Amino acid sequence: DIVMTQTPLSSPVTLGQPASISCRSSQSLVHSDGNTYLSWLQQRPGQPPRLLIYKISNRFSGVPDRFSGSGAGTDFTLKISRVEAEDVGVYYCTQATQFPYTFGQGTKLEIK
Amino acid sequence: QVQLVESGGGLVKPGGSLRLSCAASGFTFSDYYMSWIRQAPGKGLEWVSYISSSSSYTNYADSVKGRFTISRDNAKNSLYLQMNSLRAEDTAVYYCARSIAVAGTDDYWGQGTLVTVSS
Repeated sequence: DIVMTQTPLSSPVTLGQPASISCRSSQSLVHSDGNTYLSWLQQRPGQPPRLLIYKISNRFSGVPDRFSGSGAGTDFTLKISRVEAEDVGVYYCTQATQFPYTFGQGTKLEIK
Repeated sequence: QVQLVESGGGLVKPGGSLRLSCAASGFTFSDYYMSWIRQAPGKGLEWVSYISSSSSYTNYADSVKGRFTISRDNAKNSLYLQMNSLRAEDTAVYYCARSIAVAGTDDYWGQGTLVTVSS
């Protein structure tokens, strides 16, 4: 199974400041079709997960442009340019390149 | 708008069975793959199972293989998860999600239904 490792596991951030979460996979996420199926999810307290980013850097419909994704191969990053109060929650990276699909442990974003 | 509503969760004894349902609306259900993902209390996410749009292809996590069965009824816009031989470690909120095969992701998730396995 592909292991997804996120850092940090907790990220206290000041409102209006940037935040960054890293995700590393135990093997390359490049699929045989050439695509890299790495997504980022946000889970606000008491809510189901919500898709933010798919295929490394594609923002899902309705996701604010302060969220961006980057990376390649085994190393990926989610960046929030200016953190807002509504961004509090847990962020997960996930891969769909190979079954079983796997998730990172989650990074808890909180406001300082 | 896309809506996914899970039901069927509850308290069940170890070794028991439960059938979860997911009612879909707001999109052409028969065009999409679907998934079940679970989340144990206070824990992270675990992919459980996946079914193609025509039911021709299914896949399962090793932790549930042989005990859980995913199915769908496109005429009823519904997804199911039959769970047998339940164990304490199956206790979780179970989410159904719409899968976008070409994007390699689940774009919409339901609110989830809680399954508790306990004597």
